[in-house]
Amino acid sequence: DAGVIQSPRHEVTEMGQEVTLRCKPISGHNSLFWYRQTMMRGLELLIYFNNNVPIDDSGMPEDRFSAKMPNASFSTLKIQPSEPRDSAVYFCASMEGGSQNSPLHFGNGTRLTVT
Amino acid sequence: DQQVKQNSPSLSVQEGRISILNCDYTNSMFDYFLWYKKYPAEGPTFLISISSIKDKNEDGRFTVFLNKSAKHLSLHIVPSQPGDSAVYFCAAPITGNQFYFGTGTSLTVIP
Repeated sequence: DAGVIQSPRHEVTEMGQEVTLRCKPISGHNSLFWYRQTMMRGLELLIYFNNNVPIDDSGMPEDRFSAKMPNASFSTLKIQPSEPRDSAVYFCASMEGGSQNSPLHFGNGTRLTVT
Repeated sequence: DQQVKQNSPSLSVQEGRISILNCDYTNSMFDYFLWYKKYPAEGPTFLISISSIKDKNEDGRFTVFLNKSAKHLSLHIVPSQPGDSAVYFCAAPITGNQFYFGTGTSLTVIP
């Protein structure tokens, strides 16, 4: 089991540029989550998918953020245009379906720096 | 509004002693709680969980205690080891698979 795979590990970009973060969940997991970690707010849920369908995107901070899951093995989080306050570590996590008492499995995150 | 709170951002403990990490929650609908451990440059990894029907769950050196009336849970690590140095998050899921996380406590175990 390769775990949740995120790319890139680090992304440095200039304000105004488009940023795309990628995630491959664990095979067989049918729920996928995008989180953002900051010092002030800890781990914030941005959006999650069940069976590739977005269920709750109320955590997405602005319309500049969008997420897609075109199939069960791939998801993207896009920021366009990026701003310095978007600098954070973004985590993708997946979970087996069927029970809300299953733990989340996290990737190693993408550290985004917007200058 | 933080529904899961960890009020101690950091904790230092001598190797071999007990580490106690605390977590408070506000939503009485939470019925399951998890602790995650995070090393630098890695994602959080699941450590231990507890259902609200229990008040204690033990796994090796790690024990989680739940006090429902106080809406409080704690993670005890005995004995603490240098490899336990990490950030610990408590979390609670609610309907719809939404997980609420605390802001984390950074544990340093001093050799």
